[in-house]
Amino acid sequence: SQTIHQWPATLVQPVGSPLSLECTVEGTSNPNLYWYRQAAGRGLQLLFYSVGIGQISSEVPQNLSASRPQDRQFILSSKKLLLSDSGFYLCAWSVGTGVTEAFFGQGTRLTVV
Amino acid sequence: DAKTTQPNSMESNEEEPVHLPCNHSTISGTDYIHWYRQLPSQGPEYVIHGLTSNVNNRMASLAIAEDRKSSTLILHRATLRDAAVYYCILSHSGGGADGLTFGKGTHLIIQP
Repeated sequence: SQTIHQWPATLVQPVGSPLSLECTVEGTSNPNLYWYRQAAGRGLQLLFYSVGIGQISSEVPQNLSASRPQDRQFILSSKKLLLSDSGFYLCAWSVGTGVTEAFFGQGTRLTVV
Repeated sequence: DAKTTQPNSMESNEEEPVHLPCNHSTISGTDYIHWYRQLPSQGPEYVIHGLTSNVNNRMASLAIAEDRKSSTLILHRATLRDAAVYYCILSHSGGGADGLTFGKGTHLIIQP
């Protein structure tokens, strides 16, 4: 069966520090991968999506970047965190472009202090 | 993506049916209607999706209006574990996360 792993679950980082969040998917090949962010009291915002290794699409301009070094690995990074980067970050995957479900990880709660 | 409108919150009693409404008056002919739910401090979970006909699965039922401008997610017998934020989403690409735009959803409160 397919599983998605996202870590860490919680993270507290000072302003100006770097960030690296990792997401891996098991049990499927060539998934579509996604990073979402949910700010406090708001809906989920799609940040990045990837349809293959090295292929990254950004939905909104921001202080973050994403990379996909392997088929089932998706990394969210920042060189210097801002207070506004605080939020709940979720990784998700889906397969194909037809009518499919999207499967979400358990999320990382990032607090920038 | 076409926009959806949902009530901010709803309250229901345990073991009673719950009808969660969603308006999507600008839906296009190729938009699928998806429902996800998010329990506190967890990622969203797929509930159900449909195009034109009503759909049933082990979690819920989806009733779609004939003109497709609205739909209703039906939880037949709510439990305390159904307390979550429910999102109604239209996907022009047919599904998957590439077409999913999440709004604020409906916060469902279940009273024991």
